[in-house]
Amino acid sequence: EDQVTQSPEALRLQEGESSSLNCSYTVSGLRGLFWYRQDPGKGPEFLFTLYSAGEEKEKERLKATLTKKESFLHITAPKPEDSATYLCAVQADDSSASKIIFGSGTRLSIRP
Amino acid sequence: NAGVTQTPKFQVLKTGQSMTLQCAQDMNHEYMSWYRQDPGMGLRLIHYSVGAGITDQGEVPNGYNVSRSTTEDFPLRLLSAAPSQTSVYFCASSYSDRNYGYTFGSGTRLTVV
Repeated sequence: EDQVTQSPEALRLQEGESSSLNCSYTVSGLRGLFWYRQDPGKGPEFLFTLYSAGEEKEKERLKATLTKKESFLHITAPKPEDSATYLCAVQADDSSASKIIFGSGTRLSIRP
Repeated sequence: NAGVTQTPKFQVLKTGQSMTLQCAQDMNHEYMSWYRQDPGMGLRLIHYSVGAGITDQGEVPNGYNVSRSTTEDFPLRLLSAAPSQTSVYFCASSYSDRNYGYTFGSGTRLTVV
């Protein structure tokens, strides 16, 4: 069974304190791994797609990396506006684009 | 503005009532999905569609029905509401079978009393 596990469940950082969020996955074959950001009361907002081990994507203070079993979302020198829940999701090789499996998310809080 | 539109934003139902959550997209996306989000459980897939006339069950389909008569619309029907269906519901769409990232609606917060 396809599965996505995210850790930690919650993370509190001081502004400027860099850290990483983890997403481990179990799928028969990976077609794509996704990171989303979700603000309270809103729908998830797409950040990155990664397709193969060794791939990296960057956007402002965020960098996503991928290995064969896990992905990391690195946050460098975060600001309070980076506070949100970050969701990881996967599409398996044998799944359509409508059948994406999500992890339970990491709630990130950045203190000024 | 192009995107995914969900209505209503909030709804309170009594146990046993039925209702339809609406989802419409104007991006000509073939692939659409319904998820529910509960505290600590992330997003769980209810039903999905790969095109007009084609739907399938996700992880938690019981108590819900869907149909896809047009590319634009993908309504979710609650047949007989139960308190366990209290949740936030999100509709999402994608233009390609290789998902390059969903576009999500803003959600419907449903409370069943």
